[in-house]
Amino acid sequence: DAGVTQSPTHLIKTRGQQVTLRCSPKSGHDTVSWYQQALGQGPQFIFQYYEEEERQRGNFPDRFSGHQFPNYSSELNVNALLLGDSALYLCASSFTGDPYEQYFGPGTRLTVT
Amino acid sequence: AQKITQTQPGMFVQEKEAVTLDCTYDTSDPSYGLFWYKQPSSGEMIFLIYQGSYDQQNATEGRYSLNFQKARKSANLVISASQLGDSAMYFCAMREGRSGAGSYQLTFGKGTKLSVIP
Repeated sequence: DAGVTQSPTHLIKTRGQQVTLRCSPKSGHDTVSWYQQALGQGPQFIFQYYEEEERQRGNFPDRFSGHQFPNYSSELNVNALLLGDSALYLCASSFTGDPYEQYFGPGTRLTVT
Repeated sequence: AQKITQTQPGMFVQEKEAVTLDCTYDTSDPSYGLFWYKQPSSGEMIFLIYQGSYDQQNATEGRYSLNFQKARKSANLVISASQLGDSAMYFCAMREGRSGAGSYQLTFGKGTKLSVIP
């Protein structure tokens, strides 16, 4: 049974560019959350998707947007990249009937130069 | 105010000894859940243990136990019989609100780096 998968593993972008990160949830899970983890910090909640809609959003600007597909996989898009967007981006999946248990993927390391 | 506070940036423990990682939290919601995650250098967050605010007993999962002191708003993680593979970052996190309602997000502390010495 595959766990949460994320792609790509690493990514290098230039300021001002746009990036798309992808996440496939664990089998049986229908909810996907995205977190940003800056170096030396704990993860910060970006947003959560359920039934293809954004259900809750953290304190992140509109440059951060997402999408959930009918197969429950999800994308995180970041526009107009800033140096401060450099971080590990973690995807977590859960089943809405049991939201206490979130399984995290290995993350995507984004470097903005 | 920080919702999750982990005051120990780094900890050392001798192999086979027990270690306690501190976590205090702040919430006015009577319903909440507390989590501990382990993050090895590979980056993946590994779920360790969960404690609900209404749980009467402290949670235990193998070598992990959670020392839940509700009045003091603390949820310390105890690792017994430390192993070299326990060396990692450890994060305390909180979810406020009941299952199916309220906030869905996890709020994390800044973490504690645990190093196990042979």
